[in-house]
Amino acid sequence: DIQMTQSPASLSASLGETVTIECLASEDIYSNLAWYQQKPGKSPQLLIYDASSLQDGVPSRFSGSESGTQYSLEINSLQSEDAATYFCQQHHDYPPTFGGGTKLELK
Amino acid sequence: QVTLKESGPGILQPSQTLSLTCTFSGFSLSTYGMGVGWIRQPSGKGLEWLANIWWDDDKYYNPSLKNRLTISKDTSNNQAFLKITNVDTADTATYYCARSLTGSSDYWGQGVMVTVSS
Repeated sequence: DIQMTQSPASLSASLGETVTIECLASEDIYSNLAWYQQKPGKSPQLLIYDASSLQDGVPSRFSGSESGTQYSLEINSLQSEDAATYFCQQHHDYPPTFGGGTKLELK
Repeated sequence: QVTLKESGPGILQPSQTLSLTCTFSGFSLSTYGMGVGWIRQPSGKGLEWLANIWWDDDKYYNPSLKNRLTISKDTSNNQAFLKITNVDTADTATYYCARSLTGSSDYWGQGVMVTVSS
């Protein structure tokens, strides 16, 4: 299975700040990566697909990028509603695998 | 408008078979490229992909549970199903179904909680 190592496990940031969450794939996944946001008691919501494409309806302060097997999710101008847990997922090969998650807390 | 909703038994005993249903609207599983997947999440933990079924009836399973999983669909009634045999307490989780198009899951159900307990 392809391993997705996500970091950090948690972070705390202030309103208006910019944060970056990273996922390192254990092998090349050819941009077949998605980012999801999950709020407590809710189902995950797709933010980014194909590493850098913004899902319809997702604010433009969310962006995705890649460098080799390292994938990043950047959130600019943090808003209170961005407090959530974020997961990456590779779907290059079966089984699709998720990162361990990053819990983002707003100060 | 795409919606999905999971249903299941809520609670069952070890060694029983878990049967889950995903009822969806706003798309058809007979459409080229369309798929539905099942993902689970133990309380407070991460996400684990379980299985996918595609428009052409192609099926994929997580090898860690493959012998216990069966995924199927009823295209006419816009439903997908997942069965997990011989459950134990480790199968206690919230189970989600989600639509798949290009591999990522763009619409998710609200989830159904399943508890395995004697």
